[in-house]
Amino acid sequence: AQKITQTQPGMFVQEKEAVTLDCTYDTSDPSYGLFWYKQPSSGEMIFLIYQGSYDQQNATEGRYSLNFQKARKSANLVISASQLGDSAMYFCAMRVMNMEYGNKLVFGAGTILRVKS
Amino acid sequence: KAGVTQTPRYLIKTRGQQVTLSCSPISGHRSVSWYQQTPGQGLQFLFEYFSETQRNKGNFPGRFSGRQFSNSRSEMNVSTLELGDSALYLCASSAGTVSYEQYFGPGTRLTVT
Repeated sequence: AQKITQTQPGMFVQEKEAVTLDCTYDTSDPSYGLFWYKQPSSGEMIFLIYQGSYDQQNATEGRYSLNFQKARKSANLVISASQLGDSAMYFCAMRVMNMEYGNKLVFGAGTILRVKS
Repeated sequence: KAGVTQTPRYLIKTRGQQVTLSCSPISGHRSVSWYQQTPGQGLQFLFEYFSETQRNKGNFPGRFSGRQFSNSRSEMNVSTLELGDSALYLCASSAGTVSYEQYFGPGTRLTVT
């Protein structure tokens, strides 16, 4: 079975500073993908960044980077230069790359991020 | 390119009734997945449809069902509604079996009274 753990229910960060949101995962499958999504109060899930289990380099997308430590089974999201618009719920998710599981995503409990001005 | 659309956006139903939610994926996408989001249980996978076939199913009672049409639009149905079915229902579309990109719709917020 797959499991995602996000241990930070809520985080505060000062505008323009960097923040790290923690995510650990558990799976016995060697091929998997890790995702981060942002969910504003409107409810829509916005894809931020993806890391494949075989990717050699950490993924980056603009101000978002994923600190992937395979041996520790962690996939932390780093947001640089925080903006007020970054205030939202953030979810870490995993998908096993296996036909049996299809596109099923397993989500963590989420972390609420509040950016202070 | 239009995004994922879900209708209706908001719905209020009474216990015991049934409800049908609709999801239109991004044009060309053949996979549609459904998720239930509640404050207590978080985001949970309901099922996935690919080319009109259910490919995967989460751990939900048989009151939750779905289907997919030839144009890839999907519906999910919940019969005999319970108070605990109040949730945000999200659908996600994906191009295919190997694509990792999944795009979510805005969700349908269902309230059961």
